[in-house]
Amino acid sequence: AQSVTQLDSQVPVFEEAPVELRCNYSSSVSVYLFWYVQYPNQGLQLLLKYLSGSTLVKGINGFEAEFNKSQTSFHLRKPSVHISDTAEYFCAVRSGGYQKVTFGTGTKLQVIP
Amino acid sequence: GAGVSQSPSNKVTEKGKDVELRCDPISGHTALYWYRQRLGQGLEFLIYFQGNSAPDKSGLPSDRFSAERTGESVSTLTIQRTQQEDSAVYLCASSSNTGHEQFFGPGTRLTVL
Repeated sequence: AQSVTQLDSQVPVFEEAPVELRCNYSSSVSVYLFWYVQYPNQGLQLLLKYLSGSTLVKGINGFEAEFNKSQTSFHLRKPSVHISDTAEYFCAVRSGGYQKVTFGTGTKLQVIP
Repeated sequence: GAGVSQSPSNKVTEKGKDVELRCDPISGHTALYWYRQRLGQGLEFLIYFQGNSAPDKSGLPSDRFSAERTGESVSTLTIQRTQQEDSAVYLCASSSNTGHEQFFGPGTRLTVL
């Protein structure tokens, strides 16, 4: 079975400060990992994904995430946030050979001016 | 090209009535997913279709919920005898056989009075 844990339900951060949104997963096989973003009153869109290769993945809008197999983590980072980054962020996992994707409960990022 | 579309965008119904929600995936996408997102909560997996394989119904919360898919096209999610706790946004997503990204529709907001 696969699962995703996002420990922080809300993260307030001042504008231009760095941010890290945490994601831990569990799976007995190789995994593909994703971060999706949902802006207020909009649908979900893919921010970035890890499939294989380099453990540091870069996504849209200056976000990046690092896959850490030993710690089963895939934390999302941005060195300097903007007001427009205010949104809800979802981490998701798909186990190799299995199409079902499991989502975390989401982290609301609130950027404070 | 056209993305995932869902209809209706909003549905208000009375407790005890049946509702049907429709999803049109991206043409050629073999995988189709239904999720439920209650107010302020994360995505809850409901059901997953992959080509002609038997669907994964493990997320359906009760036997009042059912879903069908015609080949690799349209899917309908049916909720019978709706209850107030069914109020949520119902999201549909599709992905291709070779891709890993899920493309989400705008959702159907269901309100059960």
